[in-house]
Amino acid sequence: QKEVEQNSGPLSVPEGAIASLNCTYSDRGSQSFFWYRQYSGKSPELIMSIYSNGDKEDGRFTAQLNKASQYVSLLIRDSQPSDSATYLCAVIGSSASKIIFGSGTRLSIRP
Amino acid sequence: DTAVSQTPKYLVTQMGNDKSIKCEQNLGHDTMYWYKQDSKKFLKIMFSYNNKELIINETVPNRFSPKSPDKAHLNLHINSLELGDSAVYFCASSHDVTEAFFGQGTRLTVV
Repeated sequence: QKEVEQNSGPLSVPEGAIASLNCTYSDRGSQSFFWYRQYSGKSPELIMSIYSNGDKEDGRFTAQLNKASQYVSLLIRDSQPSDSATYLCAVIGSSASKIIFGSGTRLSIRP
Repeated sequence: DTAVSQTPKYLVTQMGNDKSIKCEQNLGHDTMYWYKQDSKKFLKIMFSYNNKELIINETVPNRFSPKSPDKAHLNLHINSLELGDSAVYFCASSHDVTEAFFGQGTRLTVV
């Protein structure tokens, strides 16, 4: 089992709709969770951090964490073409020694 | 000013050569990383340093040798380059092991 799993996509969403990206992790003791956005040919850029169960909102982005289900998600409201990118889920495991990335979900917003 | 900068951005070299990639961060972070991103976009940790001390050394061939002369710098030297080393290498930094900030990447092509 991979430590951090994501559906590779591509996920195609119409402009203006809600994009929902999902991630599961294997280490039950994980405490810190992140979402990064990576445009083609660019470096990963941190867009959200979440540390406790529930929702965390920042503009059009909402991160959701459910530690019991070992599940973290990212919702993007009012999707724009500029949101088209690969979204990487990242987790710091219970050893707190490294940041582990999922393989990313490619999101495409169609006009 | 760029927060995490790495050089060179592109590196094309022949098999068997030795090359180095340099990384510097001006964020005052105490932890620095090298990640490798392959053609499938999977971002895999290679090394992690905290206050110049090696704390993570994943299963990386010993042809790869990181060096941290001080907290703000983490260089990567690669001996006897092989075709399979072709990838994008990202340097990143964080305060302890928390959200990481990435450099722009070095695209290494071995021919």
